Amino acid sequence: EAGVTQFPSHSVIEKGQTVTLRCDPISGHDNLYWYRRVMGKEIKFLLHFVKESKQDESGMPNNRFLAERTGGTYSTLKVQPAELEDSGVYFCASSQRQGFNEKLFFGSGTQLSVL
Amino acid sequence: AQSVTQLGSHVSVSEGALVLLRCNYSSSVPPYLFWYVQYPNQGLQLLLKYTSAATLVKGINGFEAEFKKSETSFHLTKPSAHMSDAAEYFCAVNPRVGNTGKLIFGQGTTLQVKP
Repeated sequence: EAGVTQFPSHSVIEKGQTVTLRCDPISGHDNLYWYRRVMGKEIKFLLHFVKESKQDESGMPNNRFLAERTGGTYSTLKVQPAELEDSGVYFCASSQRQGFNEKLFFGSGTQLSVL
Repeated sequence: AQSVTQLGSHVSVSEGALVLLRCNYSSSVPPYLFWYVQYPNQGLQLLLKYTSAATLVKGINGFEAEFKKSETSFHLTKPSAHMSDAAEYFCAVNPRVGNTGKLIFGQGTTLQVKP
């Protein structure tokens, strides 16, 4: 069974450009989460999808970030326009059942560098 | 508000020595606690979790953690380190809001194992 897959693994862009990150969750997983780790800091929650609906987007930094999950399968996270402080590793995770002790399966992340 | 503090961003041990990675939490509700590990170029992988059952939790690869409410701690231990244990370890707490798998992470501890 394939795990959570994220594309690209690395992205280097200039300030002001647009970048789109993609996450393919494990097949059948309704829950999809986005997290971000800025260098030297902790991993922080960005948002949570249940199927195609945004359940919780309280962690989204600002309106330059747009997440979608059309059809409830893969998800994209677009940053437009990118700023220097957006650099970091963006993780995606998915799970089958929702709950406090649900097991999250993480992708290997996308390393985003904004120059 | 819930939070997690990992004491020591880097820990170095010799192969065969005891591994002790420290985690303290703050939570206004009985916590659900997790340890994740990230090996180089891979996603985060669940090591173990505490969900209010036994206070001593055994995980994969010989790791275990003990929940101590009086000390608000959930330290991760392994009796004998292997070279393959070199990785970054993350302690996390579920804030238990909205019955989701949303996690609050600590800053991470990089474990180095010396031959």
